[in-house]
Amino acid sequence: KAGVTQTPRYLIKTRGQQVTLSCSPISGHRSVSWYQQTPGQGLQFLFEYFSETQRNKGNFPGRFSGRQFSNSRSEMNVSTLELGDSALYLCASSYVLASSYEQYFGPGTRLTVT
Amino acid sequence: AQSVAQPEDQVNVAEGNPLTVKCTYSVSGNPYLFWYVQYPNRGLQFLLKYITGDNLVKGSYGFEAEFNKSQTSFHLKKPSALVSDSALYFCAVMGDTDKLIFGTGTRLQVFP
Repeated sequence: KAGVTQTPRYLIKTRGQQVTLSCSPISGHRSVSWYQQTPGQGLQFLFEYFSETQRNKGNFPGRFSGRQFSNSRSEMNVSTLELGDSALYLCASSYVLASSYEQYFGPGTRLTVT
Repeated sequence: AQSVAQPEDQVNVAEGNPLTVKCTYSVSGNPYLFWYVQYPNRGLQFLLKYITGDNLVKGSYGFEAEFNKSQTSFHLKKPSALVSDSALYFCAVMGDTDKLIFGTGTRLQVFP
């Protein structure tokens, strides 16, 4: 079974631009969660989508948004990029809403904002 | 509020020796506890979890963890470390907010 895939793997953007990251979950998984990983803040939860609905949200500004499609694929969008948005963005999928079920992570998208 | 503490930034151990990576947590309600490992330039890989039942949980690659409710700890252990175990280890907890909160990570270095 194929794992979680994320595209692109690397991205360089300029401050003020916007960016869209994509995540394809493991086949049959309906929950997709997004995390931001930085050296200073560690791993922080962004949001979780299940059946095309946002079910949970972390403490990030409204510049960070996401959506999920009917095939469970998810996209994350960051508008008006700031230097501090440079991070590894990880997507994780699970069979149902992430609770007692483990999540399977993709390799991440490394975003650099200059 | 939920929180996870990994008090050691780095743990060094000789190959063949037992290893322990510490984790303590604070959560409302019954905790779901997880350990993940991250190799360089890779995403996180699930190692093991505690939901309920036996306090000693066995996971992948020979790792195990012990849930201690009174000490609110969930330390990761392995009887005999391998050089290939060298990686970044994250403890995570989910309580009644349904958000997975990660610790800051502990870098495990196993020396030959």
